[in-house]
Amino acid sequence: EAGVAQSPRYKIIEKRQSVAFWCNPISGHATLYWYQQILGQGPKLLIQFQNNGVVDDSQLPKDRFSAERLKGVDSTLKIQPAKLEDSAVYLCASSLGSGRETQYFGPGTRLLVL
Amino acid sequence: LAKTTQPISMDSYEGQEVNITCSHNNIATNDYITWYQQFPSQGPRFIIQGYKTKVTNEVASLFIPADRKSSTLSLPRVSLSDTAVYYCLVGPYNNNDMRFGAGTRLTVKP
Repeated sequence: EAGVAQSPRYKIIEKRQSVAFWCNPISGHATLYWYQQILGQGPKLLIQFQNNGVVDDSQLPKDRFSAERLKGVDSTLKIQPAKLEDSAVYLCASSLGSGRETQYFGPGTRLLVL
Repeated sequence: LAKTTQPISMDSYEGQEVNITCSHNNIATNDYITWYQQFPSQGPRFIIQGYKTKVTNEVASLFIPADRKSSTLSLPRVSLSDTAVYYCLVGPYNNNDMRFGAGTRLTVKP
């Protein structure tokens, strides 16, 4: 079974630029999550989708971050404009349902904002 | 969601049993305890989940006392490849909102 795919794996941009990350969850998984992990900290949930609807985006900085999950499969997370403090690893995860089920994480995208 | 407290770091040697304890004094009646493992440059990976007493799988055991205010992840006979960060998470079974803390950084030495 293929795992969660993410691209790109690494990205370096300058502050105030825009960046987008892509995630393809495990086939059949209805729930998709985006996390931000700053060096030395645990992952922080940014947004949770159930199919193509948003379940929780309470920790998403909506002035600069946006995410969508068209057709309930792939998802894109965008940052516009980026700030220095956005430097982190962005992890995508998926699970079968929205209960306390196993979340399967992708390898992440490492973002460096200069 | 219940707040969890776990040691920042632990050291061990190959072949030893490692026990990582997590405190969750405010655990609710419908909360479950879940542990994830994260290797460098990878996303977290599910290890084990339980509600009470003891749960065992091919990777680890989870011990939960009767008052459920703490839990202990037990890794038998660790190897160098078990060097990772281990996260304890507590939350209700119908909610997959997982709040990761800083976790416990386990270093296994030869």
